[in-house]
Amino acid sequence: AQTVTQSQPEMSVQEAETVTLSCTYDTSESDYYLFWYKQPPSRQMILVIRQEAYKQQNATENRFSVNFQKAAKSFSLKISDSQLGDAAMYFCAYRLSSGSARQLTFGSGTQLTVLP
Amino acid sequence: KAGVTQTPRYLIKTRGQQVTLSCSPISGHRSVSWYQQTPGQGLQFLFEYFSETQRNKGNFPGRFSGRQFSNSRSEMNVSTLELGDSALYLCASSLTTGRNSPLHFGNGTRLTVT
Repeated sequence: AQTVTQSQPEMSVQEAETVTLSCTYDTSESDYYLFWYKQPPSRQMILVIRQEAYKQQNATENRFSVNFQKAAKSFSLKISDSQLGDAAMYFCAYRLSSGSARQLTFGSGTQLTVLP
Repeated sequence: KAGVTQTPRYLIKTRGQQVTLSCSPISGHRSVSWYQQTPGQGLQFLFEYFSETQRNKGNFPGRFSGRQFSNSRSEMNVSTLELGDSALYLCASSLTTGRNSPLHFGNGTRLTVT
């Protein structure tokens, strides 16, 4: 079974600074997706960024980028120029690319606080 | 385009009762998945439906069931409610079950069992 581990229950960052959230996962599969989702107090899970395992290039979306280390099974999220609106719970998630078992497996989350 | 709509937003039920939650996917989306979120267990997959067929099911007891209608709207039902069923239930939709079809989540239904 696949597992996703987020070892930082809480993180804080000063506005305009950079923060990195950690995520490790365990799988015996080679073709999968990794995701970072953001859940603000509104409760809606919002996709921040995704990475396909077969792509070596790290994904980037504006101020958000990942450091994907496939061999180490590590998938960290870097938020640059942090803004107050980035404050939320962040979840790392894994999903197989094909087959019937395509559900998301989530980590336990990291609560990010942005300090003004 | 309207997002994923879940109703109701909040629900309070008593132990032993049953409850039905509703999810309307984004227009054109044919796949709907359900997740349970609790402080203790985190986010756990319940089931996935595509074209009215259950494609995948998580490790939950038979009290949890769901269905999908021809318009892709989905409902999940929990019978004989237990205190531990108190959770945020999230629904997500996607265009297909294909690899490049990202999930779009709703705002969830907060269920409290007393």
